[in-house]
Amino acid sequence: DAGITQSPRHKVTETGTPVTLRCHQTENHRYMYWYRQDPGHGLRLIHYSYGVKDTDKGEVSDGYSVSRSKTEDFLLTLESATSSQTSVYFCAISDLGQGSSGNTIYFGEGSWLTVV
Amino acid sequence: QQQVKQSPQSLIVQKGGISIINCAYENTAFDYFPWYQQFPGKGPALLIAIRPDVSEKKEGRFTISFNKSAKQFSLHIMDSQPGDSATYFCAASRGETSGSRLTFGEGTQLTVNP
Repeated sequence: DAGITQSPRHKVTETGTPVTLRCHQTENHRYMYWYRQDPGHGLRLIHYSYGVKDTDKGEVSDGYSVSRSKTEDFLLTLESATSSQTSVYFCAISDLGQGSSGNTIYFGEGSWLTVV
Repeated sequence: QQQVKQSPQSLIVQKGGISIINCAYENTAFDYFPWYQQFPGKGPALLIAIRPDVSEKKEGRFTISFNKSAKQFSLHIMDSQPGDSATYFCAASRGETSGSRLTFGEGTQLTVNP
């Protein structure tokens, strides 16, 4: 398994509170991503990073922010959690851009977030 | 806007049968089509991928068939086994530049009965 650690793995939080999910990698891969997975929607990209302090938005970035101060760590913050952000969040890493032929994207094991 | 449509949502096959999952895409600029396999409680893992310059790619019991003119591609699992029971996602992306994004289908939950 790729060296990706997500924390926390499970969290229940109240509406309106800030939440931070952490992704730590030991592979020294350049690219890191945050996805959310919801029934009927597959996986949707929230934000991604192509280097330290270099980040960009994905297709469902509203309500989320990210930071990457070190190669190995990528943080996802829900600024004010809402029930619609109840989901499973996956961190992923790759050495090349996502679309690169032959490039493999490795996913972490997920963080289950429930907003009540 | 869902750019990659996947069907069926769920599929039940008997051990030894053939499982077929289909995907259709809209963006003709897509040029990389991977399939991911996900077991319960785990993250997705790359299973097999194809580029549109070939019509078929086979790896063991898994085959991708690609029809560029129809903008469709499919995953065939031959001799399906109970251990293949998982959720399968197709995906597509364009180009190799940094920031290229994978667009995923909705997923297919496959159950292989013994």
